[in-house]
Amino acid sequence: DSGVTQTPKHLITATGQRVTLRCSPRSGDLSVYWYQQSLDQGLQFLIQYYNGEERAKGNILERFSAQQFPDLHSELNLSSLELGDSALYFCASSDGLGIAGANEQFFGPGTRLTVL
Amino acid sequence: GENVEQHPSTLSVQEGDSAVIKCTYSDSASNYFPWYKQELGKRPQLIIDIRSNVGEKKDQRIAVTLNKTAKHFSLHITETQPEDSAVYFCAVSPGSNDYKLSFGAGTTVTVRA
Repeated sequence: DSGVTQTPKHLITATGQRVTLRCSPRSGDLSVYWYQQSLDQGLQFLIQYYNGEERAKGNILERFSAQQFPDLHSELNLSSLELGDSALYFCASSDGLGIAGANEQFFGPGTRLTVL
Repeated sequence: GENVEQHPSTLSVQEGDSAVIKCTYSDSASNYFPWYKQELGKRPQLIIDIRSNVGEKKDQRIAVTLNKTAKHFSLHITETQPEDSAVYFCAVSPGSNDYKLSFGAGTTVTVRA
């Protein structure tokens, strides 16, 4: 158990819908990262938050957005869902920005999203 | 962005033999190189990592080596056991105020009993 929690575990929805995925980082971790894992694209970085502020953006679609709340949990919002958005969505947390570079990232169990 | 190539894509080894997975990266400024193990349907688990100021790191049966000049790093698993069967991912972090991970495509390792 990494200490990172994600809900829900599974989500099945229809095209055009909107869903919210939730992540709670390890106790004390300030950084939250979101990754998408699909069969054809592998593990891809979406977005990072640090202590409530957006820190870095990756290959995140405009239909997707995220935020980190004062209690440090984060939510990833996916809207106007398409079949191709079906994937495993992971969040990871680390304890900061790192003095000597990146710090270890610990992954949550993931949310499996199926868009029908 | 960072381009990470991982080879081989599949690896089958006899129990007790060694397994080696190699990754190359494109950004010479990258300074953090973790390896993750992922079992089917589970989360990626960090198994070992190395920073750019170190050439080799070992943890029991697992070791990672880094060649910064050639921009490649490798995972070595010795005395493989059936429970080592999983998908292994290398990753690279650019450093320099950028902490996201760019992942390789993964290697499916099967340890034959």
